[in-house]
Amino acid sequence: GAVVSQHPSWVICKSGTSVKIECRSLDFQATTMFWYRQFPKQSLMLMATSNEGSKATYEQGVEKDKFLINHASLTLSTLTVTSAHPEDSSFYICSASPYGTTYNEQFFGPGTRLTVL
Amino acid sequence: DAKTTQPTSMDCAEGRAANLPCNHSTISGNEYVYWYRQIHSQGPQYIIHGLKNNETNEMASLIITEDRKSSTLILPHATLRDTAVYYCIVRVASTGNQFYFGTGTSLTVIP
Repeated sequence: GAVVSQHPSWVICKSGTSVKIECRSLDFQATTMFWYRQFPKQSLMLMATSNEGSKATYEQGVEKDKFLINHASLTLSTLTVTSAHPEDSSFYICSASPYGTTYNEQFFGPGTRLTVL
Repeated sequence: DAKTTQPTSMDCAEGRAANLPCNHSTISGNEYVYWYRQIHSQGPQYIIHGLKNNETNEMASLIITEDRKSSTLILPHATLRDTAVYYCIVRVASTGNQFYFGTGTSLTVIP
């Protein structure tokens, strides 16, 4: 199946710093990618829809100025957590669907664990 | 918004069939039923999806009731590696359409 990678797999940062997480589709192109956040023992919460070449669409309650999303190419989307604070510590997961195929499923990355001290 | 209801947790003996139910009574005519699972600290893994016919692949079978208001995911011979949280999601099948996850069912396969 299609492969989605994320980098880094884990990151620890100090409060107030910004952290960038990359999401790549390795063997397919994706015009749309999605970003999720998952707190311990909870389900995945959709944060935003990342569209190649245009602005991301954020879910209600997600601060677009805090979670900056850039989808500069058909294989790469980035999520930047700006001025991170301990409450932003979470598991961040991206997903993508292959473009131009009949695939209906989304393929998920392995996730990035962010810890803000 | 999640449109499905699943039991919080289930146990299954190793080697037996695991039957995971899902209620989706408000499903629309053009919405598919998808199943994903998430093993601890990993990204979700696609299992199977269907519209109204029963489906089977190398991982599982999906049984959808005739009125499409509920479905059952069947893992025919559960192994310890099948221990995971299983999510049932309904969604219009389109590349740009979002997946909204519910709470899922935590399946524990017991030796």
